[in-house]
Amino acid sequence: AQKITQTQPGMFVQEKEAVTLDCTYDTSDPSYGLFWYKQPSSGEMIFLIYQGSYDQQNATEGRYSLNFQKARKSANLVISASQLGDSAMYFCAMRENRDDKIIFGKGTRLHILP
Amino acid sequence: NAGVTQTPKFQVLKTGQSMTLQCAQDMNHEYMSWYRQDPGMGLRLIHYSVGAGITDQGEVPNGYNVSRSTTEDFPLRLLSAAPSQTSVYFCASSGGGQQGETQYFGPGTRLLVL
Repeated sequence: AQKITQTQPGMFVQEKEAVTLDCTYDTSDPSYGLFWYKQPSSGEMIFLIYQGSYDQQNATEGRYSLNFQKARKSANLVISASQLGDSAMYFCAMRENRDDKIIFGKGTRLHILP
Repeated sequence: NAGVTQTPKFQVLKTGQSMTLQCAQDMNHEYMSWYRQDPGMGLRLIHYSVGAGITDQGEVPNGYNVSRSTTEDFPLRLLSAAPSQTSVYFCASSGGGQQGETQYFGPGTRLLVL
């Protein structure tokens, strides 16, 4: 069964607008971590933000924040004031601490329009 | 620090040939993993290791072997290449075993099997 679901294959957003990329997950492990990565057209994987399952507050890193709703099993990435350089593929990932596997979703391709 | 290195960057194989994709990290990370990335499929976990001498299967292990004789190296072996193994392969490493340890990715190896 798929454990990480990203329902938006592609998104188009106007520059300077905020963007929300959806991610839902499925696990029975009470201890897990959630990650977001960015992959620009050059191909490298860039870590953006991390949220632990026991963290009380939503994670933030600069313009990135993670909207963590544990009961809904969702971990949406919010990018504030989008920039042209934000155009890329974005991947949500989860690690279940019982086996240390890190599994990725299929990704969302974000296009920022000038 | 070189981080995570992968060789080769690009390889063409004929069906049935064997080869080894090399991965090395100089961060003394315990956790290493191999992913393949195909269009529309995101990153899929092939094999992973939580320390020297320990390996385990990921989501798509068939056709691939791994070993972890040292902390630094985690080679991926294709015993008999098939066209279905045409993909981009990423190696990654992290401190592992703790929440908050992000993965560092290598630059990837593009493999074409004819």
